[in-house]
Amino acid sequence: GDSVTQMEGPVTLSEEAFLTINCTYTATGYPSLFWYVQYPGEGLQLLLKATKADDKGSNKGFEATYRKETTSFHLEKGSVQVSDSAVYFCALRDDNAGNMLTFGGGTRLMVKP
Amino acid sequence: DSGVTQTPKHLITATGQRVTLRCSPRSGDLSVYWYQQSLDQGLQFLIQYYNGEERAKGNILERFSAQQFPDLHSELNLSSLELGDSALYFCASSPLSGGSDVGFGSGTRLTVV
Repeated sequence: GDSVTQMEGPVTLSEEAFLTINCTYTATGYPSLFWYVQYPGEGLQLLLKATKADDKGSNKGFEATYRKETTSFHLEKGSVQVSDSAVYFCALRDDNAGNMLTFGGGTRLMVKP
Repeated sequence: DSGVTQTPKHLITATGQRVTLRCSPRSGDLSVYWYQQSLDQGLQFLIQYYNGEERAKGNILERFSAQQFPDLHSELNLSSLELGDSALYFCASSPLSGGSDVGFGSGTRLTVV
């Protein structure tokens, strides 16, 4: 079945540091890929998405590129802020199998001032 | 605010009991999804309803059941509760069954003691 693997956290960075959270996936078809963010005490918010190979999703300074050849969708941000501290989830959706999402285990990011 | 409303926000109950979690989807959304977020299992898809009909089933225990009512709100029923059922239960909704963006509620935190 489909699966998503992302780097375990926590990831601790200083403000303005460069962020990379690795995500790789296994899917039988051609899934859409997503990054969700969960702030403390809140639900999941869609951060960005890409629906086909070589697409780049971007939002709030975060970006990720759909790499079919390496089955990856790594999340990057050039300069993190304290307010970026949250848990980040990589997910895929097999559009031929309904709308349910398969999530990675989540990566906690802690940004220190 | 995603527009998906979940009640209650917190629930504490004893082993062996039964609880009902409620979800009101975003206005206009026909599809409702339930996810469980636990420390050991991560975020897992439980079940999906579309316009009142069960559409897809994931890793949902037989002790758990769900339904979607004519007004499109949904309820997740958890019975014979065990300590391991303690988790955050998320509801999500989307306009269609496939290929559309999903909005998540803030979750119901269930604690079984």
